[in-house]
Amino acid sequence: NAGVTQTPKFQVLKTGQSMTLQCAQDMNHEYMSWYRQDPGMGLRLIHYSVGAGITDQGEVPNGYNVSRSTTEDFPLRLLSAAPSQTSVYFCASRERTGRGQETQYFGPGTRLLVL
Amino acid sequence: GQQVMQIPQYQHVQEGEDFTTYCNSSTTLSNIQWYKQRPGGHPVFLIQLVKSGEVKKQKRLTFQFGEAKKNSSLHITATQTTDVGTYFCAGRTTDSWGKFQFGAGTQVVVTP
Repeated sequence: NAGVTQTPKFQVLKTGQSMTLQCAQDMNHEYMSWYRQDPGMGLRLIHYSVGAGITDQGEVPNGYNVSRSTTEDFPLRLLSAAPSQTSVYFCASRERTGRGQETQYFGPGTRLLVL
Repeated sequence: GQQVMQIPQYQHVQEGEDFTTYCNSSTTLSNIQWYKQRPGGHPVFLIQLVKSGEVKKQKRLTFQFGEAKKNSSLHITATQTTDVGTYFCAGRTTDSWGKFQFGAGTQVVVTP
């Protein structure tokens, strides 16, 4: 299993440009999420999905869109990039075993710089 | 809304010493998780606690969930250079199973 994969690893955008961060998992997890990580602020939830066709907003959703057409893929779209969106973005997927274990598996991250 | 606070923000430890990092929530949690992130890496799941007063150990790491399920701690004994990284707690409430709130993390530096 590759686990959770993210592309690209690095990206530089100009203000106003749009782009899509890709995330895929091969563990058949129903739950997937996107976080952004900024210095001193931990990880903040952007959007999450509890299954194909179902998405919901997290803590900081403004400026981002998501969709979940398949179990495997959960892309994050930046509609019009702003310097405030400079961050490291992590995708995560989560299993939920019968005993309530909710282990989250994180991808390697995408480092985004918006000029 | 739910707030998860972690202290200290930084922890400078001499190799061989013990230290503890604390996680406090403004609301009662259904479970709490701990993650470790090495410099330049991604968060890696360490453990999950769900029961009031629960204590779990992983070699030199001891995790505890408070009786009121509003706080947790991670204690590391005999710190090694491999313990370098940032430790995050993440909690969720019963009615928010889709959302884990992360603390800001404790960055641990180990001096040989």
